[in-house]
Amino acid sequence: AQSVTQPDIHITVSEGASLELRCNYSYGATPYLFWYVQSPGQGLQLLLKYFSGDTLVQGIKGFEAEFKRSQSSFNLRKPSVHWSDAAEYFCAVLTGTASKLTFGTGTRLQVTL
Amino acid sequence: GAVVSQHPSWVICKSGTSVKIECRSLDFQATTMFWYRQFPKQSLMLMATSNEGSKATYEQGVEKDKFLINHASLTLSTLTVTSAHPEDSSFYICSALYQGAAEAFFGQGTRLTVV
Repeated sequence: AQSVTQPDIHITVSEGASLELRCNYSYGATPYLFWYVQSPGQGLQLLLKYFSGDTLVQGIKGFEAEFKRSQSSFNLRKPSVHWSDAAEYFCAVLTGTASKLTFGTGTRLQVTL
Repeated sequence: GAVVSQHPSWVICKSGTSVKIECRSLDFQATTMFWYRQFPKQSLMLMATSNEGSKATYEQGVEKDKFLINHASLTLSTLTVTSAHPEDSSFYICSALYQGAAEAFFGQGTRLTVV
């Protein structure tokens, strides 16, 4: 069965510092991978997605992610974090004919000034 | 991008009553919508897949008689929490599958509090 692991429950970074959020997946076929961001009490906003092609994917708000098949990873990065980036981040994989999204447990990002 | 509207954003109801939550795709047709439940500081748990014109497919452990799902049109799915109890209090989120982009767009969520 497919699964998504986000090893870091909580990460704190200083504003202006670089960020990397880890995501590992387990899926037999080529995965469709997503990163979402959720502000408190809100729904989810798509940051970026990977289906195929270039393994380095650019998203909104200056985020990027790199798909590494050999490591079954899809880590999210941002070179310089802003205070407004503080939120919960979810990695997800789209699986099955029913197009279900399986989510990781999320990583809460705190940004210190 | 495509917009999914969820209503209401928050609701408080008494134990034993029923609450209906609506999920609308505003600018696209969605044959498939999903309902999730999210507990505080936890991930999203898929409750059911809603298909237009057919019965919803519930995930294991989800009570279909308590969480009634109706997907009567290509732009509207509803989740009715029947005979609500305090343990049903949670954040419920819907998403609609935009097949043209193989992407699901999410509503803003509904905070349900049962007192």
